[in-house]
Amino acid sequence: NAGVTQTPKFQVLKTGQSMTLQCAQDMNHEYMSWYRQDPGMGLRLIHYSVGAGITDQGEVPNGYNVSRSTTEDFPLRLLSAAPSQTSVYFCASRTGGEKLFFGSGTQLSVL
Amino acid sequence: RKEVEQDPGPFNVPEGATVAFNCTYSNSASQSFFWYRQDCRKEPKLLMSVYSSGNEDGRFTAQLNRASQYISLLIRDSKLSDSATYLCVVLSGGSYIPTFGRGTSLIVHP
Repeated sequence: NAGVTQTPKFQVLKTGQSMTLQCAQDMNHEYMSWYRQDPGMGLRLIHYSVGAGITDQGEVPNGYNVSRSTTEDFPLRLLSAAPSQTSVYFCASRTGGEKLFFGSGTQLSVL
Repeated sequence: RKEVEQDPGPFNVPEGATVAFNCTYSNSASQSFFWYRQDCRKEPKLLMSVYSSGNEDGRFTAQLNRASQYISLLIRDSKLSDSATYLCVVLSGGSYIPTFGRGTSLIVHP
């Protein structure tokens, strides 16, 4: 049981490049989400999904796209990276209204 | 006003001290409450859920005050290993969307 697997751990992009952060969970959780964490700002919700085929925006969705074609996977896409997207990104999943399971995070730098 | 507010600290305490953190939330319809711990550059991990009647886990005690809309975390006999950031998490809405506070930094020194 791997839990929540998040890749890559580190990434450096140039402004305007695109990339996808991968997130997969093997716990059959319906709810999955993406957060970004910036110094002094805490974790802010980017997008979330309550099941396959269902996604919704969180607090800071601009510049990010998501899709949920399977229960297991919830990739986060940056279509045209900007320096303001330099941050640490966490994927999380859970079932019901209980404990969140987090991936180990991605440190993204956009130059 | 942010939905979930915490004093960022840092709280700087000696080993063996008792320290308490509070967290206030603005949505009176919030349903579930948690404390998470986050070590530097690591993912947050659940420390404990918070129940209306209050609950204890070893040296940690969590309480919920719905009337005043705050939750608290009490740490007794602080250890060096308790040094971390403590995040308050509140779940609200039909989909139980978690909202995080900005975290309270705790530094326990010898």
